[in-house]
Amino acid sequence: SQQGEEDPQALSIQEGENATMNCSYKTSINNLQWYRQNSGRGLVHLILIRSNEREKHSGRLRVTLDTSKKSSSLLITASRAADTASYFCATGGNSGNTPLVFGKGTRLSVIA
Amino acid sequence: NAGVTQTPKFQVLKTGQSMTLQCAQDMNHNSMYWYRQDPGMGLRLIYYSASEGTTDKGEVPNGYNVSRLNKREFSLRLESAAPSQTSVYFCASSTQPQGPYGYTFGSGTRLTVV
Repeated sequence: SQQGEEDPQALSIQEGENATMNCSYKTSINNLQWYRQNSGRGLVHLILIRSNEREKHSGRLRVTLDTSKKSSSLLITASRAADTASYFCATGGNSGNTPLVFGKGTRLSVIA
Repeated sequence: NAGVTQTPKFQVLKTGQSMTLQCAQDMNHNSMYWYRQDPGMGLRLIYYSASEGTTDKGEVPNGYNVSRLNKREFSLRLESAAPSQTSVYFCASSTQPQGPYGYTFGSGTRLTVV
């Protein structure tokens, strides 16, 4: 299985601080994606980074990818209470034709 | 723009009963998926349909069947529900299995089997 594994399982920070979550995976990938899930809701796609990219930004999100270490990190800068959610990484096979496999997620709590 | 619509939102079944979970998307996506989410287990793929007319098993297909009715609709059927199938079920769609815009998820069906 090339399931991603997020670390830590849970993270609690103060509003305004930065939050960093990590993801490790097992086999070669085409791309790696991050999703957010608010309590009781479906997942929402945040950002996709391709295997030939090393870093990508979207608003307050910064994603890095290190294919030699088979790992990725998601950084949320200047966190807000509204960022409280679970965050999942997802990967698929390097052909691009296989469905995504999701990790177990990191539960982020941002305290106002 | 509704995105991905799942029905019902909640359901309680007795062991042995059958039911069909419905999913429809209005984004002209080619690929559709059914995942289940259990506490501490993340999301696990049950079945997927990479394109209209095709379906494939995922990680946990036992006890389920699917039908890709047309490009918009992808249903999940439980023929004989078991307590182990108590879960939250999510349908998702995308342009292709690893398309550039990621997956769009429905809001989920919370199923309890007693």
